[in-house]
Amino acid sequence: GEDVEQSLFLSVREGDSSVINCTYTDSSSTYLYWYKQEPGAGLQLLTYIFSNMDMKQDQRLTVLLNKKDKHLSLRIADTQTGDSAIYFCAERPPDYKLSFGAGTTVTVRA
Amino acid sequence: GAGVSQSPRYKVTKRGQDVALRCDPISGHVSLYWYRQALGQGPEFLTYFNYEAQQDKSGLPNDRFSAERPEGSISTLTIQRTEQRDSAMYRCASSPRNTGELFFGEGSRLTVL
Repeated sequence: GEDVEQSLFLSVREGDSSVINCTYTDSSSTYLYWYKQEPGAGLQLLTYIFSNMDMKQDQRLTVLLNKKDKHLSLRIADTQTGDSAIYFCAERPPDYKLSFGAGTTVTVRA
Repeated sequence: GAGVSQSPRYKVTKRGQDVALRCDPISGHVSLYWYRQALGQGPEFLTYFNYEAQQDKSGLPNDRFSAERPEGSISTLTIQRTEQRDSAMYRCASSPRNTGELFFGEGSRLTVL
């Protein structure tokens, strides 16, 4: 199994906030990432955070990092139907090999 | 091109055949990665290059898998004597440098019958 763990599914109503959680294992990871995968498409980098930061905000996206608990979250404000996708959390340890979680499938309902 | 290009997008082959999957990274990108993604799973690291040098191949499952990037640009992932368990999406990504900002291609879906 993966070293990075995520819940598999999230259903959210349009206009509400979505929160996707992730735990990782390598405390020496310097970067943590969120990727988005839409059907039939490649993985798109949404945002990333340095390990010495607690929070990063980018428009509707807010990333929170709790390094002590090795917990990462992605909050999407005002979720839209276009946000329906699979979201992958990834960590980058010093050996540069990104390790991905299994992905959280987000379904936005009207 | 503007993004990472992979070919073929779909490949169906019979067990025992060799396949070659090609990746054309974003121009000027130093690092190139190969990942494999099974259905319902996240991408799994296979190998990566900086320029033409293969830095790490620890993720290659066995010696039937090999990769090269002879001129530091286009890379080929070769699977010899394919088996049904090799069926997966093979994804290539490139990065301007080792920052971890990986830009992924759309993948090559391999089906081994």
